[in-house]
Amino acid sequence: DVKVTQSSRYLVKRTGEKVFLECVQDMDHENMFWYRQDPGLGLRLIYFSYDVKMKEKGDIPEGYSVSREKKERFSLILESASTNQTSMYLCASSSVPPGGNGNQPQHFGDGTRLSIL
Amino acid sequence: AQSVTQPDIHITVSEGASLELRCNYSYGATPYLFWYVQSPGQGLQLLLKYFSGDTLVQGIKGFEAEFKRSQSSFNLRKPSVHWSDAAEYFCAVGPLMGGGNKLTFGTGTQLKVEL
Repeated sequence: DVKVTQSSRYLVKRTGEKVFLECVQDMDHENMFWYRQDPGLGLRLIYFSYDVKMKEKGDIPEGYSVSREKKERFSLILESASTNQTSMYLCASSSVPPGGNGNQPQHFGDGTRLSIL
Repeated sequence: AQSVTQPDIHITVSEGASLELRCNYSYGATPYLFWYVQSPGQGLQLLLKYFSGDTLVQGIKGFEAEFKRSQSSFNLRKPSVHWSDAAEYFCAVGPLMGGGNKLTFGTGTQLKVEL
């Protein structure tokens, strides 16, 4: 079974802090994703990465950055945390099928509930 | 642009009753469709997926979904709901080919099961 591990289940930080959320997957997946989940809004894509050191902006990248130095690890960075970034953050990963094209289901971690005070 | 609509924010059913959760999508190409379930405090778990073939797909936990191209729908069903099915359910759509495996999610349907 695919295992996607997020380093913290709950995190409390202060406004203006630099915050790091870590995600590790153990299935050698090429693609990794960061979402935020808010009531009534579903999941919104912040950033994704399809290879080491590669990243692309999702739908709501403002105020966030990412880092992927190793294939198994994808970090989300809040450069200067603000109260409107209080949310549930979900990491996901997926593989690339043989032939390199097409899509596969995404596998999710348990989430990090982040509170910014 | 692709989009997913789950018109029911909350649904309440009695244990043992049948269930249908609605999902409508807007997508310009051949879609890859998914249903995920999220139990409280957990991440999302894949229930089932569809991209071709038989339009009625079976998933885990006794769920099934039917793809209707003419109605742009992919509704989730279960003939008899168990109390443990109480959770939030998300429908998602993505490109069948290419697109970097990005998915668009609906806003979710919260299912409550009455004993």
